[in-house]
Amino acid sequence: QQQVKQSPQSLIVQKGGISIINCAYENTAFDYFPWYQQFPGKGPALLIAIRPDVSEKKEGRFTISFNKSAKQFSLHIMDSQPGDSATYFCAASMNRDDKIIFGKGTRLHILP
Amino acid sequence: GAVVSQHPSRVICKSGTSVKIECRSLDFQATTMFWYRQFPKQSLMLMATSNEGSKATYEQGVEKDKFLINHASLTLSTLTVTSAHPEDSSFYICSAVDWVRGEKLFFGSGTQLSVL
Repeated sequence: QQQVKQSPQSLIVQKGGISIINCAYENTAFDYFPWYQQFPGKGPALLIAIRPDVSEKKEGRFTISFNKSAKQFSLHIMDSQPGDSATYFCAASMNRDDKIIFGKGTRLHILP
Repeated sequence: GAVVSQHPSRVICKSGTSVKIECRSLDFQATTMFWYRQFPKQSLMLMATSNEGSKATYEQGVEKDKFLINHASLTLSTLTVTSAHPEDSSFYICSAVDWVRGEKLFFGSGTQLSVL
C-alpha cells in the first residue's frame, strides 16, 4: 500500500510560471509533511515542511498548502526558474523521530 | 547549516567483495540515522533505521546479514554491503535528524555503488 501518493510524475512549466505538485496520504497519524528537492547524483535537500495545525506555509517562492480533511497537501513554486528543474518528493512521518515515507517523486522541468 | 557527510561518493567493486559506506553528522549529534536506497528515476526506499549504541531496525525485505549497519558513535553510522552482487548496484543515501535545530532531516550526498 502506497502511503503517500504524489502527482504528477513529471511536469513542464514555462519560466516565470507556477509549478504545482500534489500529494495525498492515507494515515491520519502522520503529523509532519516535508518536501524535498533532489538534483541528479545528489541527496535530497529539505525545502519546506508543514504540520497539520497549519493550512499554509510560505518560504520565499515555495508554499505548502495543507488540507487536513481531504488528507492532501501541495507544493507551489511561484515564478519558476530553470534552476528549479529537479525532482521533488513529498513525504510524511508520524513524529520527528520516525522514518520518513516518500512519495514517488515529480520530475520538474522549467523551460527557459 | 547542519551537514551530513557521506563517503565515498562513488565506488566500483567486483562481485563478491564488501563495500563500506560512511555517514557522518559534522556539527551535530545524531542518535538516529536512516539509510535509503534509490534506483534511477525512482523514489527513496528506507532500508533501515540506525540507532546509536543499539541494533539497527531493518525494513521488511531488507537482508540484515547483507546490509550491515553500525552506529558506534553519535556522529557516525556505517553501512556495509557484504558480498556485493550486480543487483546491489544502486544509489545509497543516509540521513540524520538534528534535534537541536528543530525538525530538520538532513541527507548526505549519496553513494553510487556499481558492482561489476
